[in-house]
Amino acid sequence: LAKTTQPISMDSYEGQEVNITCSHNNIATNDYITWYQQFPSQGPRFIIQGYKTKVTNEVASLFIPADRKSSTLSLPRVSLSDTAVYYCLVGNSNSGYALNFGKGTSLLVTP
Amino acid sequence: NAGVTQTPKFRVLKTGQSMTLLCAQDMNHEYMYWYRQDPGMGLRLIHYSVGEGTTAKGEVPDGYNVSRLKKQNFLLGLESAAPSQTSVYFCASSSLWLNTGELFFGEGSRLTVL
Repeated sequence: LAKTTQPISMDSYEGQEVNITCSHNNIATNDYITWYQQFPSQGPRFIIQGYKTKVTNEVASLFIPADRKSSTLSLPRVSLSDTAVYYCLVGNSNSGYALNFGKGTSLLVTP
Repeated sequence: NAGVTQTPKFRVLKTGQSMTLLCAQDMNHEYMYWYRQDPGMGLRLIHYSVGEGTTAKGEVPDGYNVSRLKKQNFLLGLESAAPSQTSVYFCASSSLWLNTGELFFGEGSRLTVL
C-alpha cells in the first residue's frame, strides 16, 4: 500500500501562504495524488489532484517533484476559514482500489 | 442531484444490538467505500466495493459486514455492536473513470454504542 506521511499540525496567520508536504515513498506508477479538506462534522471534500509537476486551480496549487515520492499542497493567502484538516491520498490501483487515508494535517489559521 | 446520502445521521445503540447504515449515491459510481473516523483520528477504511455484487475488506473490517446488491447502495451492518464501534462513519463513492482517488463523501453518520 502507498502509505503517506504528513505533519500532524501546522499553524499560520491570516494572509500567509501555507505549504503542507506529504511523503509517499512507495507510490506506484499509475497512482495519482489527491488532497482533501475536512471541516469538523463534515465529510472530506476534494481540493486538488495531480500526477506530476505542478497543478493549479482556484483554491490551491500542488507541486510534485520528478521522483513523485512527495507532494506539496500550497494554499495562497490563507484565511480563518481555511482552518481544517488536510489529507493527502495516493490512489492505489495495484491493491484493488483500496483508498487509505493517513492521519492528515490539522491546520490552524489565526488572525 | 443529491450526491452521496447517508442514513441515519445519528443513532444510539446498546451493546449487542444490530443496525444497518445505508449509503446511497445517484452519480452512477462504480466504487463505494465505508470509513470510520474516531476523535482526533484520520479516516480508516472498513470495507469497499468495486461494483455491484462485490465487496472487499479494508483496514479495519472486523465487526462489520457490507453488501452491494444494487449499484447505487452500499450497506454497512453491525451484527452485535460494541462500545469500540462508537464513531462517525463516512461513505464515499467514485467513478470508474475517475478511479485515481477523487472521492465524493456523504455527511457522515454518528453512532454511539452504550
